[in-house]
Amino acid sequence: GQQLNQSPQSMFIQEGEDVSMNCTSSSIFNTWLWYKQDPGEGPVLLIALYKAGELTSNGRLTAQFGITRKDSFLNISASIPSDVGIYFCAGQPGGSEKLVFGKGTKLTVNP
Amino acid sequence: EAQVTQNPRYLITVTGKKLTVTCSQNMNHEYMSWYRQDPGLGLRQIYYSMNVEVTDKGDVPEGYKVSRKEKRNFPLILESPSPNQTSLYFCASSLSARGHEQYFGPGTRLTVT
Repeated sequence: GQQLNQSPQSMFIQEGEDVSMNCTSSSIFNTWLWYKQDPGEGPVLLIALYKAGELTSNGRLTAQFGITRKDSFLNISASIPSDVGIYFCAGQPGGSEKLVFGKGTKLTVNP
Repeated sequence: EAQVTQNPRYLITVTGKKLTVTCSQNMNHEYMSWYRQDPGLGLRQIYYSMNVEVTDKGDVPEGYKVSRKEKRNFPLILESPSPNQTSLYFCASSLSARGHEQYFGPGTRLTVT
């Protein structure tokens, strides 16, 4: 089936640093979503993107829907310890009812 | 509070003993889905339902069954569980399938010995 390439797989950063992660696809997606999963919990939606070029912020988080519709990125500014977790991108391919997930970026923030 | 609930949260069972994991949402969502999450493989869709009495296979449906008799409930059934079905399972729902955000339950950790 469809696959999303999410990178990096893991990141180790110092508190206060900015973070950037991205997802790419070989085909066009109509929707891009970014989720965060804390240990022992279900993924929680952070940002939803519906239009190519769309740039959306949620507090210190900013995500963009790539113009080619084949990629998306998520930035976290001024990271704090509670940003620790696994971040997943998800996308809905054109003409499909399914949501395809990336394999996640595990973020560790050192105080 | 709008939410997706799953029960049980943890389950240890033996090979071949039928089990059901329940999922319920109180948001009047049409679309519901089951995923399994395994290390290194991410989230993989098992089954999904576009609406009542409409279900379809996801990417990894083998060994699972689902039903959607009511809009709010979407149980996952393992008729004869096997050890390779040991995993973390998530139920999710969304307003519809078309470009809408999915909201996830808290997860069910299943161990099959």
